[in-house]
Amino acid sequence: QSALTQPASVSGSPGQSITISCTGTSSDIGGYKYVSWYQQHPGKAPQLIIYGVSDRPSGVSNRFSGSKSGNTASLIISGLQADDEADYYCSSYTSRSDTLVLFGGGTKLTVL
Amino acid sequence: EVQLVQSGAEVKQPGESLKISCKASGYSFTTYWIAWVRQMPGKGLEWMGTIYPGDSETTYSPSFQGQVSVSADKSFSTAYLQWSSLKAADTATYYCARLSGGGYYELDYWGQGTLVTVSS
Repeated sequence: QSALTQPASVSGSPGQSITISCTGTSSDIGGYKYVSWYQQHPGKAPQLIIYGVSDRPSGVSNRFSGSKSGNTASLIISGLQADDEADYYCSSYTSRSDTLVLFGGGTKLTVL
Repeated sequence: EVQLVQSGAEVKQPGESLKISCKASGYSFTTYWIAWVRQMPGKGLEWMGTIYPGDSETTYSPSFQGQVSVSADKSFSTAYLQWSSLKAADTATYYCARLSGGGYYELDYWGQGTLVTVSS
């Protein structure tokens, strides 16, 4: 069982918007603005798409956005495209141990 | 251009030792933390530990403390992850990644991954 909880899968049609949730505790997501999101295509290394809850690295499409409410963070992907089909992982700083960062279990996004 | 280039795939037997590498370029190696992340076959990402190459300070996730060792050689701008006695359960892809200096604990650049297979 992963420390941060994500749905195992989500799906959407091209052009639609989807939301992936990531639930933690007050020791991680709820207590800090240190939530990141990563996209991983099969056989590839993860790629950072959101940091600091809602900031995007240079070069990342503005179709990707992030937010947080309480102990739950969310990744929103708008205008779904075929290439968005991938695994998505949330992460957060944690104050609970020397682990420093916790990952979610990952969400498989299927573009129908 | 920031790059992290990892060593190639390894096939080992249980009980053997192993050291994999992560060579950094395109930035000041000594001023950014490097993290190691495990991904077991078909599974999610797991934070293993970090090293600050400037002074070799390390942190380990409790799940990996005592199981692996991270190190760095400033002369070669290279970080390492090593095992003294591999187990079948160590079969996984291992990624190195740079902790951004922005203070949000995000991993902004990743290596391509090293697949380690442990089998008799």
